[in-house]
Amino acid sequence: DVKVTQSSRYLVKRTGEKVFLECVQDMDHENMFWYRQDPGLGLRLIYFSYDVKMKEKGDIPEGYSVSREKKERFSLILESASTNQTSMYLCASSTPGTGYQETQYFGPGTRLLVL
Amino acid sequence: AQTVTQSQPEMSVQEAETVTLSCTYDTSESDYYLFWYKQPPSRQMILVIRQEAYKQQNATENRFSVNFQKAAKSFSLKISDSQLGDAAMYFCAYLPRGSNYKLTFGKGTLLTVNP
Repeated sequence: DVKVTQSSRYLVKRTGEKVFLECVQDMDHENMFWYRQDPGLGLRLIYFSYDVKMKEKGDIPEGYSVSREKKERFSLILESASTNQTSMYLCASSTPGTGYQETQYFGPGTRLLVL
Repeated sequence: AQTVTQSQPEMSVQEAETVTLSCTYDTSESDYYLFWYKQPPSRQMILVIRQEAYKQQNATENRFSVNFQKAAKSFSLKISDSQLGDAAMYFCAYLPRGSNYKLTFGKGTLLTVNP
């Protein structure tokens, strides 16, 4: 089974702090994703990466950056956390191809509270 | 732009009964995938069922089945013999074939299962 893990389930940070959210997958997937989940808004894509050191902006990249130095690890960085970044953050991975290979598999999520 | 609409923010069902969750989508693509994901309270999002648009046969996974109406752009999920463990937020999602990443989610339907 695909396993996607995230470094923290719950995180509390102060406004202005630099925040790192880590995601690791063990299935050698090329693609990795960061989503933000808010009530009533569903999931929105922040960034994704299709290869090591490659990244592309999603729908809501403002205030975020990402890093992918190794294939299995994808980090989301909040350079200066703000209260409007309080949310649930979900990581996902997939492999490019056809059919079921394009299914995305999700981590357990990190619930971030910015005070 | 593609959109996915889940018109039922909340649904409830009695244990052992059948419930249908609705999903419609808007796209100009002819080849794509559709997914239903389940997110139990405070637990990981998991894939329930997936459908390839070029396949006319509706997908089935045990008690879960879909009614895929391509012309109507409708993709409903039927849960038969509902169990308490089916209580969760359900998300419908759309992915154009070969897009590699652009998974578009609906806003979710919260399903309650009553004993």
